Amino acid sequence: AQSVTQLGSHVSVSEGALVLLRCNYSSSVPPYLFWYVQYPNQGLQLLLKYTSAATLVKGINGFEAEFKKSETSFHLTKPSAHMSDAAEYFCAVSENTGNQFYFGTGTSLTVIP
Amino acid sequence: DAGVIQSPRHEVTEMGQEVTLRCKPISGHDYLFWYRQTMMRGLELLIYFNNNVPIDDSGMPEDRFSAKMPNASFSTLKIQPSEPRDSAVYFCASTPGVLRGYGYTFGSGTRLTVV
Repeated sequence: AQSVTQLGSHVSVSEGALVLLRCNYSSSVPPYLFWYVQYPNQGLQLLLKYTSAATLVKGINGFEAEFKKSETSFHLTKPSAHMSDAAEYFCAVSENTGNQFYFGTGTSLTVIP
Repeated sequence: DAGVIQSPRHEVTEMGQEVTLRCKPISGHDYLFWYRQTMMRGLELLIYFNNNVPIDDSGMPEDRFSAKMPNASFSTLKIQPSEPRDSAVYFCASTPGVLRGYGYTFGSGTRLTVV
């Protein structure tokens, strides 16, 4: 079965600094990859997704992620952090033969003013 | 589109009571998923349906949990009897199809507290 690893359960950045949240998956077959964001007391919202098109994917709120097959990675970045980016971020992967996602354990992002 | 609708948003119940959580998926989404989220275990898939049929319920923790989807627009997750360790946020999600590259759309969740 697929597995997803998010390095760093907690990440703190200063406002205006680069945000980098790491995600690695286990499958050797390029799957579909997703990043979700969860604000306090809310459900998960789709930030962006990779579906075998461009390897650099742009999402909402200025986030983007790059799919690197050789590294089995799909790291999430944002050039300049805003206070409103403070949330929990989940990486998820699906397989070409399955109907469910495999979620990472999440990374809590804190933005320091 | 109103999105995935879950009710109630909050539920507080006493140990031993029956609890029913409800979900209305997005119209046209053939897949419906129930997840549980806790600090200790993160997001756990409990069960998912395709065209109202349960496909994988291996994540249902024990016989106290049951889920149904009587039609394409409604699903329930029932816990009977409830226990304090069932306290969590329960999410419902739907999708037209993961194999087609669609993501999930999540509901706002039901926060269950069993005292």
